[in-house]
Amino acid sequence: EIVLTQSPATLSLSPGERATLSCRASQSVSSYLAWYQQKPGQAPRLLIYDASNRATGIPARFSGSGSGTDFTLTISSLEPEDFAVYYCQQRSNWPPEVTFGQGTRLEIK
Amino acid sequence: EVQLVESGGGLVQPGGSLRLSCAASGFTFSSYWMSWVRQAPGKGLEWVANIKQDGSEKYYVDSVKGRFTISRDNAKNSLYLQMNSLRAEDTAVYYCARPLIAAAGLYWYFDLWGRGTLVTVSS
Repeated sequence: EIVLTQSPATLSLSPGERATLSCRASQSVSSYLAWYQQKPGQAPRLLIYDASNRATGIPARFSGSGSGTDFTLTISSLEPEDFAVYYCQQRSNWPPEVTFGQGTRLEIK
Repeated sequence: EVQLVESGGGLVQPGGSLRLSCAASGFTFSSYWMSWVRQAPGKGLEWVANIKQDGSEKYYVDSVKGRFTISRDNAKNSLYLQMNSLRAEDTAVYYCARPLIAAAGLYWYFDLWGRGTLVTVSS
């Protein structure tokens, strides 16, 4: 089973700052990694898939990079609505099983 | 409007059963694999199960194998999760989710989620 470890657990930043979130896989997942944003009381929202592709409607300030075991989600300039919990997720080609990281909480400093 | 709406959650005793439903609208439900994902209170996300378009293939996380059954009714645009032998650790919000279809076909990431239904297993 592939384990995803996200760091840091909590990130405290101010609006306008740059956020860098990390996700490390216990073994290579190639580029098969996604990022989600979840706000309190809401379902997750897909931000990035296959490591670097923005999902439909996602602002350009969100970008993803990495391959193999190390991945990064970057938010170039934080907006007030970006403060939330972020999860990474990997997919296996077959069987179709997925695992999530434990999440990074992005909070207002 | 493209949406998923879950129902059927509630309070159940350990060892009991519950059936969750997910009503899909605004897209061709029968063309998609579908999934259940859960989230324990204050915790992260956990994939639970997937089902193929025609119901012929089903996959489960190890912790629910033999206890949970995913199914669907394409005529009713509905997805189901039958949960038996429930345990306290099954307490969670259960989300119905649709995997992404993009340029290269099916991707096992979820681009459409319902709002979830809370299942509480407690005596």
